[in-house]
Amino acid sequence: QKEVEQNSGPLSVPEGAIASLNCTYSDRGSQSFFWYRQYSGKSPELIMSIYSNGDKEDGRFTAQLNKASQYVSLLIRDSQPSDSATYLCAPGGYNNNDMRFGAGTRLTVKP
Amino acid sequence: DVKVTQSSRYLVKRTGEKVFLECVQDMDHENMFWYRQDPGLGLRLIYFSYDVKMKEKGDIPEGYSVSREKKERFSLILESASTNQTSMYLCASSLGGQDSALYGYTFGSGTRLTVV
Repeated sequence: QKEVEQNSGPLSVPEGAIASLNCTYSDRGSQSFFWYRQYSGKSPELIMSIYSNGDKEDGRFTAQLNKASQYVSLLIRDSQPSDSATYLCAPGGYNNNDMRFGAGTRLTVKP
Repeated sequence: DVKVTQSSRYLVKRTGEKVFLECVQDMDHENMFWYRQDPGLGLRLIYFSYDVKMKEKGDIPEGYSVSREKKERFSLILESASTNQTSMYLCASSLGGQDSALYGYTFGSGTRLTVV
């Protein structure tokens, strides 16, 4: 079974700080990697995707991928209270039909 | 935007009842999925379908079945509901095929099922 491990948290950071979320995965065949944000009582929403080794930036979010280490991370700069949510890591498969999700890291940004 | 609609937001059923959870997507996606989400266990894949009338078991298919008679609709069936099936059920859809790995999933708003 494909394993996805995330630091479960909870992770608490002050407003304006950088939040760092980490994820490791077991399936070396994973080609794409996704980060989802899930607010309490809501469904997951896709916020970042990354396919190549290195960094990908989108506004305050930066995804980092290291396929050799089977490691993907999400950095949130200038964290805001509205970023408080659970963040799910999901490595994607070849045909996009067997995605497994990590258990998620709960982030709290304190004003 | 892709829209994935789940028919019920909250549902309460009795033990032993047959339960149908419906999911409809409007963007012609090939793949559709049913997950359940429980505290501490994350999202677990129950079943998925990559085409009409096709289905594949996920990690926890026991006690569930699915039906996909039309491309846009994917139903989850609890043949005889039990209390350990009380959970949040999430439907998702995605593109299929080789290039689909570049895209993620779109989720419905979820159905919180309570079996009493």
